[in-house]
Amino acid sequence: NAGVTQTPKFRVLKTGQSMTLLCAQDMNHEYMYWYRQDPGMGLRLIHYSVGEGTTAKGEVPDGYNVSRLKKQNFLLGLESAAPSQTSVYFCASRRTETGELFFGEGSRLTVL
Amino acid sequence: GQNIDQPTEMTATEGAIVQINCTYQTSGFNGLFWYQQHAGEAPTFLSYNVLDGLEEKGRFSSFLSRSKGYSYLLLKELQMKDSASYLCVSMDSNYQLIWGAGTKLIIKP
Repeated sequence: NAGVTQTPKFRVLKTGQSMTLLCAQDMNHEYMYWYRQDPGMGLRLIHYSVGEGTTAKGEVPDGYNVSRLKKQNFLLGLESAAPSQTSVYFCASRRTETGELFFGEGSRLTVL
Repeated sequence: GQNIDQPTEMTATEGAIVQINCTYQTSGFNGLFWYQQHAGEAPTFLSYNVLDGLEEKGRFSSFLSRSKGYSYLLLKELQMKDSASYLCVSMDSNYQLIWGAGTKLIIKP
């Protein structure tokens, strides 16, 4: 049982480059989330989705876009990377009955 | 505004007991979660409280007082592997999650 899988796990970008982070879950969860985590700070919500074909902005959405074309996949895009986007990104899906989140292993992104 | 407060860092001794406190202010309330996060890893679920009282799960227990906006996580018989950050998370009336910055727990032999 894979749970939540994120790719890639590590990436180095130059300022202005674009990239996409892929999140896949095999638990048939409706809700999926993208968070970023910076040292000394809690998880901050970037975007989330309450079901296939839906997306919504979170706390820090600027500079990011998302898509949920299939229920099991949630993509996070950086259109023009900036050094301020250097962070660890976590994808999560949520069990509706309990609210429990299941996280991917994280994607460490460095923007030079 | 919505806010979670928890200590930044705590130190305890192997075999001892430690209590990590959390106070929360949210727009409505639909439950309080605790997650454990080891350095360099993703958070993992520990507990969920929606009613007042103590929930026990092995060496870990979680307490909630809704009237006080207060929760704590109690860890007994501490082991070195319990060294991690512990994240307090409140769910508001819209089922949005409000995350605390986490408490880094250091276990000493």
